[in-house]
Amino acid sequence: EVQLVESGGGLVKPGGSLRLSCAASGFTFSGYTMNWVRQAPGKGLEWVSHISGDSRYIYYADSVKGRFTISRDNAKNSLYLQMNSLRAEDTAVYYCTRALGTLVVAPQGNWGQGTLVTVSS
Amino acid sequence: DIQMTQSPSSLSASVGDSVTITCRASQVISNYLAWYQQKPGKVPKLLIFAASTLQSGVSSRFSGSASGTDFTLTISSLQPEDVATYYCQKYNSAPPTFGGGTKVEIK
Repeated sequence: EVQLVESGGGLVKPGGSLRLSCAASGFTFSGYTMNWVRQAPGKGLEWVSHISGDSRYIYYADSVKGRFTISRDNAKNSLYLQMNSLRAEDTAVYYCTRALGTLVVAPQGNWGQGTLVTVSS
Repeated sequence: DIQMTQSPSSLSASVGDSVTITCRASQVISNYLAWYQQKPGKVPKLLIFAASTLQSGVSSRFSGSASGTDFTLTISSLQPEDVATYYCQKYNSAPPTFGGGTKVEIK
């Protein structure tokens, strides 16, 4: 069974940094593109970033480009999101998702439970 | 970037009704369109991919179709457990943009 467990969320001041982690199990982690998708309180879904299985292909939403960095450690079956220069508008639940199939750009086939990031002074 | 416009933003229908949600892409995306269901307080769930392919385990009451840059999600007989917000997402190329969502309620 595919399992995705996020951690690392919390309260941070504007301008601060936070690193999210996602522990994956139940599948061959290196074979899949992984994503971060976020949802601000009471708002819709916003795709944030993805990284291909071999880390060759990385893409960011314009809203986080230059501030967030996605990475993965296939030996540890883990996905990361380093978030710097955080703003109030980054406040959201951050979901780790696995791509459906082996395409780099693909639907989000599996979702974690999410971790809440709150940016506030 | 390609924009995805969903309509309506919300709807209310009776149990047993057929419900249709539309998603329009600002450019051609072929059939690279997925639909998700997010029940209140829950994690989103993939319902349909490739515009019309039902994800494993999803009720056959859900169906998807495409016509050019217009995509439709249909719930054939609305049930109380279908109360949720539904999102489309295009994935022909990065960024895989989501639509704004459609909230479905029971009348």
